[in-house]
Amino acid sequence: GESVGLHLPTLSVQEGDNSIINCAYSNSASDYFIWYKQESGKGPQFIIDIRSNMDKRQGQRVTVLLNKTVKHLSLQIAATQPGDSAVYFCAENPRDDKIIFGKGTRLHILP
Amino acid sequence: DAGVTQSPTHLIKTRGQQVTLRCSPKSGHDTVSWYQQALGQGPQFIFQYYEEEERQRGNFPDRFSGHQFPNYSSELNVNALLLGDSALYLCASSTRQVQETQYFGPGTRLLVL
Repeated sequence: GESVGLHLPTLSVQEGDNSIINCAYSNSASDYFIWYKQESGKGPQFIIDIRSNMDKRQGQRVTVLLNKTVKHLSLQIAATQPGDSAVYFCAENPRDDKIIFGKGTRLHILP
Repeated sequence: DAGVTQSPTHLIKTRGQQVTLRCSPKSGHDTVSWYQQALGQGPQFIFQYYEEEERQRGNFPDRFSGHQFPNYSSELNVNALLLGDSALYLCASSTRQVQETQYFGPGTRLLVL
């Protein structure tokens, strides 16, 4: 069915460490994936995207990995900072162009 | 370069009333999508407008309707409000190319009493 979900609802990471947020998707026909960051009281903010013809894409301090074989997506944040505290959503944008979001993972940064 | 804007930021209504929410897309964008985000959940797609017509629709009742204007701005209307309609309503804009990135506004927080 159409569902995108995350493995863990909450992730706590020490400041300066790397964070890895995982996501499983169920629609094998999906070929475009996005990570969004949502801070309290704000709308989702685009972080990085990846298309199915790639298995890795890097941005500034962030890397997205896509494993189509097991329908798994991950977001890696390097040198996690206090400003990275937020809820992170993976989402898929199938060809009918409506974004399907998962439930989100809350990232806590420990001092 | 203005981002996506939404108004109002907060709204309180009572059951049975009607509400209209507004969205202005990011400069250069012509497609507007609306999402409902219940507390603690991910956003759920309501519908998408392009060229002043509804192009895609999610699993929402007909009480939810919309409109897009020639300047690409959009309205979301909800009739006969229910308590369960309380949520953050998000507008996202993009260009009319399938699978282009959608950029979100700050949302309108609707509380139905």
